[in-house]
Amino acid sequence: GAVVSQHPSWVICKSGTSVKIECRSLDFQATTMFWYRQFPKQSLMLMATSNEGSKATYEQGVEKDKFLINHASLTLSTLTVTSAHPEDSSFYICSARDGQGAWELFFGEGSRLTVL
Amino acid sequence: GQQLNQSPQSMFIQEGEDVSMNCTSSSIFNTWLWYKQDPGEGPVLLIALYKAGELTSNGRLTAQFGITRKDSFLNISASIPSDVGIYFCAGLNQGGKLIFGQGTELSVKP
Repeated sequence: GAVVSQHPSWVICKSGTSVKIECRSLDFQATTMFWYRQFPKQSLMLMATSNEGSKATYEQGVEKDKFLINHASLTLSTLTVTSAHPEDSSFYICSARDGQGAWELFFGEGSRLTVL
Repeated sequence: GQQLNQSPQSMFIQEGEDVSMNCTSSSIFNTWLWYKQDPGEGPVLLIALYKAGELTSNGRLTAQFGITRKDSFLNISASIPSDVGIYFCAGLNQGGKLIFGQGTELSVKP
């Protein structure tokens, strides 16, 4: 099956710094990628839809200036958490859809962010 | 907004027992999915359901899509320790977005 890889798998940063998380589709082209956030023992909450070559679409309540998304190529989307605070500590997961029109979403391994 | 209500929230069972969990929604979904998530990893697709009333199996897993397209159940037969994890139902809406249930955390005692 298709492979989606995230990097880094975990990161610890100081409050006020910015952190970038990468999501790559390794063996397919993804015109659309999705970013989710998951708190411990909770469900995956969709944050935004990342579209290659255009602006991301954010879900209600998600600050677009806080969570910057860039989808510059068909195999890479990045999520930057700007001026991170402890409440931003979470598990961030991306998923990608094969650009061939299939519905199936392939998920990355997730990136755990801890803000001190 | 669209929501999926999943139950039970957690289950503690003995190895070898069968497990059943279900999911309901106030909205209709054309595609219903069941995922498993191991600690510190992304979810992995177990079963996809496309047709109302469809019953689909994948090894020891069986899932059914409700006639109304608003509910589904997942059964796991003869559970084993590696079945431990969190199981999520998810509905694919018309906008192509996945809406997840709250998850069922399964613990299996050897």
